[in-house]
Amino acid sequence: NAGVTQTPKFRVLKTGQSMTLLCAQDMNHEYMYWYRQDPGMGLRLIHYSVGEGTTAKGEVPDGYNVSRLKKQNFLLGLESAAPSQTSVYFCASSRDSNYGYTFGSGTRLTVV
Amino acid sequence: GENVEQHPSTLSVQEGDSAVIKCTYSDSASNYFPWYKQELGKGPQLIIDIRSNVGEKKDQRIAVTLNKTAKHFSLHITETQPEDSAVYFCAAGGYRDDKIIFGKGTRLHILP
Repeated sequence: NAGVTQTPKFRVLKTGQSMTLLCAQDMNHEYMYWYRQDPGMGLRLIHYSVGEGTTAKGEVPDGYNVSRLKKQNFLLGLESAAPSQTSVYFCASSRDSNYGYTFGSGTRLTVV
Repeated sequence: GENVEQHPSTLSVQEGDSAVIKCTYSDSASNYFPWYKQELGKGPQLIIDIRSNVGEKKDQRIAVTLNKTAKHFSLHITETQPEDSAVYFCAAGGYRDDKIIFGKGTRLHILP
């Protein structure tokens, strides 16, 4: 039982490049979330999904897109990376919004 | 929408002493209050949660108390140990919401 798996764990991008972060969960959870965490900062919600085929904007959605084509996967895309997107990205999943989240171990992204 | 305030932002405690972290919430409809611990380089991990029909919950050295009237809840860690050093996040959510709202975190230092 792997829980929530994020790939890659580390990545360095050049400004303007694109990439996709993958989050996979094996707990049959309906809800999935993408957060970013900057140094000394808390968790800021980027996008989330309440079920397969659904997505919704969070607190800081600009510059990111998401897709939830399969229940177990939630993809976060950066179309044109900017240095301001340098951060640690965490994915989380939950059986519903009123239950504890299981977080992945994070992806450390640096945009130069 | 819900707003969660967390205090203090930093807390230093002598090993063996107790630590208390406090949170307040704004939405009286919130009924789920989890606490997460984030160790350096890792994702947040759920350590304890409480629902609004319960006033207190304990799990070994950690306990959470909830005062619905005052809309605040607290995390208590007794007999602190070096491994308790981490960032702790409180959160609040309700059955009407798609997501829980996190506090900004408390960095707990356990001093030798």
